[in-house]
Amino acid sequence: EAGVAQSPRYKIIEKRQSVAFWCNPISGHATLYWYQQILGQGPKLLIQFQNNGVVDDSQLPKDRFSAERLKGVDSTLKIQPAKLEDSAVYLCASSPGTGRSGELFFGEGSRLTVL
Amino acid sequence: EDQVTQSPEALRLQEGESSSLNCSYTVSGLRGLFWYRQDPGKGPEFLFTLYSAGEEKEKERLKATLTKKESFLHITAPKPEDSATYLCAVQDNTPLVFGKGTRLSVIA
Repeated sequence: EAGVAQSPRYKIIEKRQSVAFWCNPISGHATLYWYQQILGQGPKLLIQFQNNGVVDDSQLPKDRFSAERLKGVDSTLKIQPAKLEDSAVYLCASSPGTGRSGELFFGEGSRLTVL
Repeated sequence: EDQVTQSPEALRLQEGESSSLNCSYTVSGLRGLFWYRQDPGKGPEFLFTLYSAGEEKEKERLKATLTKKESFLHITAPKPEDSATYLCAVQDNTPLVFGKGTRLSVIA
């Protein structure tokens, strides 16, 4: 079974530039998550999708971050404009949505460096 | 106030030297406590789910236990390949909240 795919693995940008990350979850998984992990910290949820719909985006900085999940499959997370404090690893995760909602399958992450 | 606190931040063990990692939490109405392992440059990998006080789960050299206020991850006779960051996460009526993790190094 293929795991969660993310790209790009690494991205370096200047502050105020924009960046986009892509995620393809495990086939058949209804729930998709984007997490931000700053060095030395645990992952922090940015947004959760159930199929096409947003379940929770309370911690998403909506003035600069946006995310979409078209057709309930893959997803894109965008940052525009980026700030220095956005330097982090952006992790995508998926789960079957069968009630075991804490058992997540993570991708390898996209590491963003903002200069 | 942090809802999930893990200790120690870092732990260095000799191969075969057993120890425990701690995860204390302050959420009420716990729906589940989860342990993950994270290797450098990788995403977290699910290990265990615990739902109620007194519950225990085991996998190879790892055993997770849960009380009303904390969980322990016991590592018996660790090997160098057990070196990783171990993350604890809790869930009440909100999405998962992760702790900062314990960075474990096992020296041969």
